[in-house]
Amino acid sequence: DVKVTQSSRYLVKRTGEKVFLECVQDMDHENMFWYRQDPGLGLRLIYFSYDVKMKEKGDIPEGYSVSREKKERFSLILESASTNQTSMYLCASSYSKVQPQHFGDGTRLSIL
Amino acid sequence: EDQVTQSPEALRLQEGESSSLNCSYTVSGLRGLFWYRQDPGKGPEFLFTLYSAGEEKEKERLKATLTKKESFLHITAPKPEDSATYLCAVTGANSKLTFGKGITLSVRP
Repeated sequence: DVKVTQSSRYLVKRTGEKVFLECVQDMDHENMFWYRQDPGLGLRLIYFSYDVKMKEKGDIPEGYSVSREKKERFSLILESASTNQTSMYLCASSYSKVQPQHFGDGTRLSIL
Repeated sequence: EDQVTQSPEALRLQEGESSSLNCSYTVSGLRGLFWYRQDPGKGPEFLFTLYSAGEEKEKERLKATLTKKESFLHITAPKPEDSATYLCAVTGANSKLTFGKGITLSVRP
């Protein structure tokens, strides 16, 4: 079974802090993704990566950056956290662009 | 732009009462349609992939079907443990996954 592990289930941070969300997958998948999920808005793509060292902006990249130094690890960075970034953050990985994405259990992030 | 619309937003069933969840989509060059199940506080769990019209997939009480414009997730004789949010998503020619907003299913004992 595919295992996508997100480093924290719950996280509370202060406005202006730099926040790191970590994601690791154990299936040697090429592709990794970061989404946020908000009530009424569904899942929205923040950033994705089809290869190590490669990253592309999704639909809502503003205020975020990512890092992919190793194939199995994809990090989401909130450069200066703001209250409107309070959300559920989901990491996913897939073998190819047409194969299903497999998700971690999410990090519920609160910015105070 | 690819679009996915799921209906109804919420569905309440009695245990054993079969029903269907609808996913309507518009996509340029469908490369795959995916169904996921999401429990509260957890990430989406992959259920099925459908690649072409006429295709069907089954797993326990769930059966997914696909036409050129929509997909149905049929639930036969549901149990309370089937209560969850069911998400539909499509990938088109741009390789981007577009999600619907989900259908929240409640099954009463």
